[in-house]
Amino acid sequence: EAQVTQNPRYLITVTGKKLTVTCSQNMNHEYMSWYRQDPGLGLRQIYYSMNVEVTDKGDVPEGYKVSRKEKRNFPLILESPSPNQTSLYFCASSMGRGVDTIYFGEGSWLTVV
Amino acid sequence: AQTVTQSQPEMSVQEAETVTLSCTYDTSESDYYLFWYKQPPSRQMILVIRQEAYKQQNATENRFSVNFQKAAKSFSLKISDSQLGDAAMYFCAYRSAVLRGGADGLTFGKGTHLIIQP
Repeated sequence: EAQVTQNPRYLITVTGKKLTVTCSQNMNHEYMSWYRQDPGLGLRQIYYSMNVEVTDKGDVPEGYKVSRKEKRNFPLILESPSPNQTSLYFCASSMGRGVDTIYFGEGSWLTVV
Repeated sequence: AQTVTQSQPEMSVQEAETVTLSCTYDTSESDYYLFWYKQPPSRQMILVIRQEAYKQQNATENRFSVNFQKAAKSFSLKISDSQLGDAAMYFCAYRSAVLRGGADGLTFGKGTHLIIQP
């Protein structure tokens, strides 16, 4: 079954404590990306990756890091989380660009206190 | 930068009736792709329908269809025979056909909350 798997699904953490949200896809997709969803703002892209070792900033990259060492994995790293990073995070992947179906993970609820 | 506007924060429709959700976008590009996503209370993102800008024919998927007006930069979603399971947040999204120097992905509107009245 085609899947994008994110972990953890729910997390409450404290300001400044580094955390990583993992993302893995089993479809051999080249494109992967991270979005955050905030009330009244829709989804906004944080980072994306076109292939292994190729990553680039999206619209709201501040405070986040990513890496793409393997094709299937694309972790999102918050080096020093702050309360304004409290959000619902989605990982997504697609085979190519354009009209190709983008598969979304189930989302990760992150609360920073 | 491209922007997507959904002017209706919330819409309500009676079960079995038809409802249209509006979406406009701003772009200087001629080639792009447009999508409607459904997000039920589970927060899962579900692709409803997609449209390639170079295609004049409006996309349809069962009870869902779009009215794509390229010159007006409008991409509305029509849901026919509304069902209780259609209740969700609906997002309109834009994707460039050209790899830009910056973000490469979907640009979303802020969403329309659709309520189905039984």
